[in-house]
Order: sequence, then structure tokens, then C-alpha cells
Amino acid sequence: KQEVTQIPAALSVPEGENLVLNCSFTDSAIYNLQWFRQDPGKGLTSLLLIQSSQREQTSGRLNASLDKSSGRSTLYIAASQPGDSATYLCAARGRTGANNLFFGTGTRLTVIP
Amino acid sequence: GAVVSQHPSRVICKSGTSVKIECRSLDFQATTMFWYRQFPKQSLMLMATSNEGSKATYEQGVEKDKFLINHASLTLSTLTVTSAHPEDSSFYICSAPGPIETDGYTFGSGTRLTVV
Repeated sequence: KQEVTQIPAALSVPEGENLVLNCSFTDSAIYNLQWFRQDPGKGLTSLLLIQSSQREQTSGRLNASLDKSSGRSTLYIAASQPGDSATYLCAARGRTGANNLFFGTGTRLTVIP
Repeated sequence: GAVVSQHPSRVICKSGTSVKIECRSLDFQATTMFWYRQFPKQSLMLMATSNEGSKATYEQGVEKDKFLINHASLTLSTLTVTSAHPEDSSFYICSAPGPIETDGYTFGSGTRLTVV
């Protein structure tokens, strides 16, 4: 069964810093990998989706990379802002089966003004 | 992009009563929807897969009679928590795969259930 791990569990940075969130998965046979943001008491907002054939995706200050061979994905946030404070979740989608979105444990990010 | 609407956003009910949560795909059809439960400061736990026109598929350990799922149309799935108890208090979130195969999953805004 796919296992997804996120490190660190929590991270605090001063405003303006660049940061990297890590996601690792045990089964490299994934269909895609998706990064989400979750604000307290809210649902999930999709940030970036990387297909298995892609190496990275970019949206504004966010850049996500995917290395299937090593079972890793990273989310890079440039010039962090207090509004970036949230929990970030990665989810790996398997190649077969409908019930196949496996979530990481999340990284709780706090950007200090 | 694809939007999933979930209602209510929060509900408080008395022990023993039932609560229904709705999940609608607003601009696309979803033959499959997923229901998750999230405990404080934890990740999402898949409860069941809702299948349009057929029975839901429940994950191991999830009580079918406690959590009734109905997927009566291509745009609506409902989760009914029956005979609710305080331990059912939690955050429930639904999701659906996007209309295009290469889309990711879209999530509802979640429902905070408090059973008193």
C-alpha cells in the first residue's frame, strides 16, 4: 500500500524567506501527485498537479517538482508571505483503482511577519 | 476549474439525531465522489467511495449503517450520519475527480459536525 510522508510536520519562517516542503512516497507507480493547501477549518485548495510524466509545475511563487525514481516531491515557495500560513498536503494518486488518492500527513507552515 | 460545493459548512446536533451532508459537483458530472473524515491536526482519512447508481464502497472499519451514503444523481452525493454520538464530531470533506482524466481531485469546503 502506498505510504506518503511529509517532512517537516511544522515549519516557521520569517516573511520573505524561500522555503521547501518535502513529500515522499513509497510506490513510484503513481498517476500524478497533487499539492493542496488547507486553512484551519476549511476544505482543500489544489495548488499544483504534476503528472507522472512531468518533472515540475509552476504557479506564481510556487514550484513543485517530482522525482518518481526516488519517490520524492518538493513544493518550493518563494518570498513567503504571512498569507501563505496554512497546512500543506501532498497526495499521490495511484495508477489503478478508484480509491487511490493517498495523503501525506501535512506540513503546518507559519510565516512570521 | 471544477467546483465541488459542500453544505452545510457547520452543524450542531443533539445525540441520537441524524445529520445529512450534501456534496454537489457544480459544473461537471461526477460518477464517483469520495468522503473523508479529518481529526484535529491529522490528515484526511478516506471513509467511503460514493458511486452513482450503485452502492457505496466503504473502507475497512467504517460502519455502513452509521454513515449512509447516497449518490442519486451525477452531481449529488449525500452522507448521512445516523444516530449521531459525540464521538462522531469531526470535520467531513467530500471530493470528486475532475471532468478530465488529467485533472486532479477537487474538494468541497468541508463540514464541521458537532454532536452535543
